[in-house]
Amino acid sequence: DAKTTQPNSMESNEEEPVHLPCNHSTISGTDYIHWYRQLPSQGPEYVIHGLTSNVNNRMASLAIAEDRKSSTLILHRATLRDAAVYYCILRDSHYGGSQGNLIFGKGTKLSVKP
Amino acid sequence: DAEITQSPRHKITETGRQVTLACHQTWNHNNMFWYRQDLGHGLRLIHYSYGVHDTNKGEVSDGYSVSRSNTEDLPLTLESAASSQTSVYFCASRAGHLSAEAFFGQGTRLTVV
Repeated sequence: DAKTTQPNSMESNEEEPVHLPCNHSTISGTDYIHWYRQLPSQGPEYVIHGLTSNVNNRMASLAIAEDRKSSTLILHRATLRDAAVYYCILRDSHYGGSQGNLIFGKGTKLSVKP
Repeated sequence: DAEITQSPRHKITETGRQVTLACHQTWNHNNMFWYRQDLGHGLRLIHYSYGVHDTNKGEVSDGYSVSRSNTEDLPLTLESAASSQTSVYFCASRAGHLSAEAFFGQGTRLTVV
């Protein structure tokens, strides 16, 4: 069962910031928050992950609520190439075994308008 | 550059035939996974392997099998293809349990007629 809740779809304008929300009210202390995205006709690709602190990389930023029950993926300037389905996934990296597998929900389909 | 490749990219087969989809990665990753993706279902885990000779069933494993005889390859076999197995199949690999990033192949579109 998916342990995260995301909006089905969102729209953004090109070159504007995008905030993609994810709710995970039942997150456990050892669950990392992972974000992947899937461009049309491609396999998913890793975007970012975090545990408690906000994280930044070249692709995006991840803002994690203090109680860790929600998080937001931030694309600072959306481009047409960012149009994709974005998946928020909880993954227990502390233990080996199946708890560490990536289980995908339906994600958020992001459309970017020129 | 290291990569993960799937073959074939497209395949049409008949009901009842045995089909094998190939997945090859050159990162020397221990963990490998097979997913299928259907409209309305997202990606669902079929089988996974944490190392040579290790294989495990995922959430939708019925009708599929895998074997891991080396680090680089995890072929997915459909023992007797059914129309319900028409889907896009993705292979993925990850260095290990503590690794954050998994790498996915480009997918194989399988049609069973």
